Amino acid sequence: EAGVTQFPSHSVIEKGQTVTLRCDPISGHDNLYWYRRVMGKEIKFLLHFVKESKQDESGMPNNRFLAERTGGTYSTLKVQPAELEDSGVYFCASSLLATNTDTQYFGPGTRLTVL
Amino acid sequence: DQQVKQNSPSLSVQEGRISILNCDYTNSMFDYFLWYKKYPAEGPTFLISISSIKDKNEDGRFTVFLNKSAKHLSLHIVPSQPGDSAVYFCAASGAGGGADGLTFGKGTHLIIQP
Repeated sequence: EAGVTQFPSHSVIEKGQTVTLRCDPISGHDNLYWYRRVMGKEIKFLLHFVKESKQDESGMPNNRFLAERTGGTYSTLKVQPAELEDSGVYFCASSLLATNTDTQYFGPGTRLTVL
Repeated sequence: DQQVKQNSPSLSVQEGRISILNCDYTNSMFDYFLWYKKYPAEGPTFLISISSIKDKNEDGRFTVFLNKSAKHLSLHIVPSQPGDSAVYFCAASGAGGGADGLTFGKGTHLIIQP
């Protein structure tokens, strides 16, 4: 069974540009999460989808970030316009059940560098 | 304001000895705790977890201990092996109810010396 996949693995863009990250969860997992790790800091929760609905987006930094999950399968996270402080590794995770004890499986991450 | 703290950025242990990684939390609403292991250029992988109603959970070489009164948990790895060299993240959930986003610590880089 395929794990969580993310694309691209790396992205280098200039300040002010737009970038779209994609996450494909494990097949059948209704719960999808986005996280971000800025260098030297902890991995921080951004938002949680249940199918196509945003369950919790309390961790989204500001309105330059837009997450979608149309059809309840893959998800995209768009940053527009990108700022220098958006640099970091963006992780996606998925879980089968909507309980906090269900294991979240992480993808390899997308490393975003904003110059 | 960090709710999950891992105060040791790195830890070096000799192969075959015990590795002890520590984690403290501040939010008493957390009721589920996890350890994830991360290799470079990979995502975190789930290692072991513990519910707040227990004080110990064991899985092979890995044991997690929870001290609720001290808001402290630790991960014991024995015996330590070279493949255990990785960054270990402590995480917690349950403060918001339902399927939460996890709250992570900054991680501890474990280095197993031959």
